[in-house]
Amino acid sequence: GAVVSQHPSWVICKSGTSVKIECRSLDFQATTMFWYRQFPKQSLMLMATSNEGSKATYEQGVEKDKFLINHASLTLSTLTVTSAHPEDSSFYICSALGGAVGRTDEQFFGPGTRLTVL
Amino acid sequence: AQKITQTQPGMFVQEKEAVTLDCTYDTSDPSYGLFWYKQPSSGEMIFLIYQGSYDQQNATEGRYSLNFQKARKSANLVISASQLGDSAMYFCAMRAPTSGNNRKLIWGLGTSLAVNP
Repeated sequence: GAVVSQHPSWVICKSGTSVKIECRSLDFQATTMFWYRQFPKQSLMLMATSNEGSKATYEQGVEKDKFLINHASLTLSTLTVTSAHPEDSSFYICSALGGAVGRTDEQFFGPGTRLTVL
Repeated sequence: AQKITQTQPGMFVQEKEAVTLDCTYDTSDPSYGLFWYKQPSSGEMIFLIYQGSYDQQNATEGRYSLNFQKARKSANLVISASQLGDSAMYFCAMRAPTSGNNRKLIWGLGTSLAVNP
């Protein structure tokens, strides 16, 4: 149990286009999901916390208009990188909170999406 | 301020030997949780072990154990009988105080572990 999927697993796009990444909790309901960004050989950087039915909470320095987050259901959150530029190229990982008895604070991670902007 | 410190950027261990990955934390909250995750080159984050601040005993999960020293604010991960498949990045993380609905994690910089045959 507690499986989180991400789609796509990798994407290459042209500069100026928008890219949508989906994060789904497959066998549990997740009221809270997190979006991270990770550069090569670095730690995870939290971008935003996504709560179902409400606006996402963005971390300081993360552009809300550039990284649009929608958490429309208890099993789906989406991250849209708008007008992507080469500096947005990164590994994006989502996680979903809860899902297992006694582990309501455990984050279950998706496999990640590698975005390359040309 | 809350912080996780992993002082070992890289570690080497011989196959079948034990290795300890260091993690120290800083928080003023009496209630917190500590996590260890493994990230192989594929990128997926794999949960390894969890220790709650009020847990009386050190957490163990198979070959993984957490050496929890509360007074020293350390939560070192011990991997016994290392295997080649243990080669990966290892991250220590701490659950932030329970304020509102958020349960975000504070992350360390990670330790790259290489297991030599």
